[in-house]
Amino acid sequence: AQTVTQSQPEMSVQEAETVTLSCTYDTSESDYYLFWYKQPPSRQMILVIRQEAYKQQNATENRFSVNFQKAAKSFSLKISDSQLGDAAMYFCAYQGSTLGRLYFGRGTQLTVWP
Amino acid sequence: ETGVTQSPTHLIKTRGQQVTLRCSSQSGHNTVSWYQQALGQGPQFIFQYYREEENGRGNFPPRFSGLQFPNYSSELNVNALELDDSALYLCASSLDGRLYNSPLHFGNGTRLTVT
Repeated sequence: AQTVTQSQPEMSVQEAETVTLSCTYDTSESDYYLFWYKQPPSRQMILVIRQEAYKQQNATENRFSVNFQKAAKSFSLKISDSQLGDAAMYFCAYQGSTLGRLYFGRGTQLTVWP
Repeated sequence: ETGVTQSPTHLIKTRGQQVTLRCSSQSGHNTVSWYQQALGQGPQFIFQYYREEENGRGNFPPRFSGLQFPNYSSELNVNALELDDSALYLCASSLDGRLYNSPLHFGNGTRLTVT
């Protein structure tokens, strides 16, 4: 069974600084997607970034980038130039052969200090 | 473009009752998934509907059931409510659940409290 582990329940960062959120996963599949979602107090899950496992190049979306290590089954999220609006719960998620089904970690609560 | 909308936003029920939660998928999307998010946890997959048929189910008992309508909106029904059913229920739609390159778009969820 696929499992996703986020070992940091809480993280904090100063505005304009950089922070990295960690995620590891377990799977026997070779083809899959990985995602980072953001959940602010509004409760809506917002897609931040996604990575296709067959692509070696790490995904980047503006200030958000990932470090995807397939052999180590590691998928960390780096947020550069942190902004107050980045404060939220961040979830790492895995999607494998069962299309549409996402497996989520328990989340990391990110606080951004002014 | 209208996003995913869920109703109601909040709901309080008594143990043993039944509840129906509703979800309108994003325009053009034919696939709807439901997730349960208990307090302090990540969302757990309940089931997915593609073109009005269930095509995937997580580890939830049969008292969790669903429907998808011809307009691709969906309902989640929970019978014989238990205290542990208290959670945020998230609906997500996607353009085509058969495709990898079809990201999920989530609604704001329904907060269910069972007393």
